[in-house]
Amino acid sequence: SQKIEQNSEALNIQEGKTATLTCNYTNYSPAYLQWYRQDPGRGPVFLLLIRENEKEKRKERLKVTFDTTLKQSLFHITASQPADSATYLCALGGSYIPTFGRGTSLIVHP
Amino acid sequence: DAMVIQNPRYQVTQFGKPVTLSCSQTLNHNVMYWYQQKSSQAPKLLFHYYDKDFNNEADTPDNFQSRRPNTSFCFLDIRSPGLGDAAMYLCATRDRGERVLDEQFFGPGTRLTVL
Repeated sequence: SQKIEQNSEALNIQEGKTATLTCNYTNYSPAYLQWYRQDPGRGPVFLLLIRENEKEKRKERLKVTFDTTLKQSLFHITASQPADSATYLCALGGSYIPTFGRGTSLIVHP
Repeated sequence: DAMVIQNPRYQVTQFGKPVTLSCSQTLNHNVMYWYQQKSSQAPKLLFHYYDKDFNNEADTPDNFQSRRPNTSFCFLDIRSPGLGDAAMYLCATRDRGERVLDEQFFGPGTRLTVL
């Protein structure tokens, strides 16, 4: 069955450092992969999408890579700030119905 | 601002007492979704509508039903809530019309407590 793995342990980093979050998947060949941010008690907010034929996508301090051979996406936040603290979800899809991972909590310490 | 609105934000019900959660959107998107999310878990798709076409996920319990009377509104009915139905319920929309957008727009969610 399809499986999406995100690290269940929180990632703690110091302000100003680069945060790197990982999304691994198995038994799946997604056409695209998305990253969302979710704050406690709120709905997810879309950040970036990368397609299967793209290797890298950037948006301001965010960078996403997609390796379909390794079946892995890396999500980077450069120059991290305490305001970046949240849970980050990856979602994979082939149509208009993506499947979500459980997310990884990021805590940026001042 | 165009957005997805969910009411109420917090809902408390008693075991077995029917409850209805509502979602409205001003985005005029033709796809609407209902997700259930429990603490530290992935959002789990319950239903989605493509225009008026209703799609029920295979593992969605019969206890859950949905209605979409028009493009803007969607309702989630839980006929006999059990303790295991306590969760955050998320409504989302997506545009699959002429201008296809890649992202889902989520509402703030309704936190359901079952006593």
